[in-house]
Amino acid sequence: DIVMTQSPDSLAVSLGERATINCKSSQSVLSSSNNKNYLVWYQQKAGQPPSLLISWASTRESGVPDRFSGSGSGTDFTLTINNVQAEDVAVYYCQQCHSSPLTFGGGTKVEIK
Amino acid sequence: QEQVVESGGGVVQPGGSLRLSCGASGFTFSSYGMHWVRQRPGRGLEWVAMLRNDGGDHNYADSVKGRFTISRDNSKNALFLQMHSLRSEDTAVYYCAKSVATFGFHMDVWGKGTRVTVSS
Repeated sequence: DIVMTQSPDSLAVSLGERATINCKSSQSVLSSSNNKNYLVWYQQKAGQPPSLLISWASTRESGVPDRFSGSGSGTDFTLTINNVQAEDVAVYYCQQCHSSPLTFGGGTKVEIK
Repeated sequence: QEQVVESGGGVVQPGGSLRLSCGASGFTFSSYGMHWVRQRPGRGLEWVAMLRNDGGDHNYADSVKGRFTISRDNSKNALFLQMHSLRSEDTAVYYCAKSVATFGFHMDVWGKGTRVTVSS
């Protein structure tokens, strides 16, 4: 199974500052057939289901503010939130969809300092 | 708009069974694979099972293999999760989620979840 490790477990940032969340996979999630990283990011606000933020490691979903960006390839990935807003308070999860079983990272809780 | 709505959760004794349902609307249900994902109280997300759009292939997490069965009825735009031999560790909110493809891949539409509590 591919193990997804997120860091940090939580972070507190000031409004308008940058939040950086890391996700590492135990095996590469880069497909050699199409050169795509099978890595996505979800946002889960308190009491709500998860919401897809970024797919293929760096493709922002429709309607997602451009302060959210994803980067990385192979085994190391980053979710960056620039100019953090109060509505960004949530838990963020990475997930690999390269192989079954699909696995999630443990989540990173973002709070406002 | 694309939507999925879960139902069927409840309280069940250890060793018991429960069947979850998920109704889909706003998209061509038969064209997409579907997933079940769960979240234990205060914990992270755990993928449970996925099913091909035509019902022809499926995968399960090791933690539920042999106890849970995922199925679908494309004529009714419905997804199911039959759960047997339930354990306390199956207590969770169960989410139904639409895949972006016919099988596997990630989820772009999630329901609000249905709560399952396994307790005597």
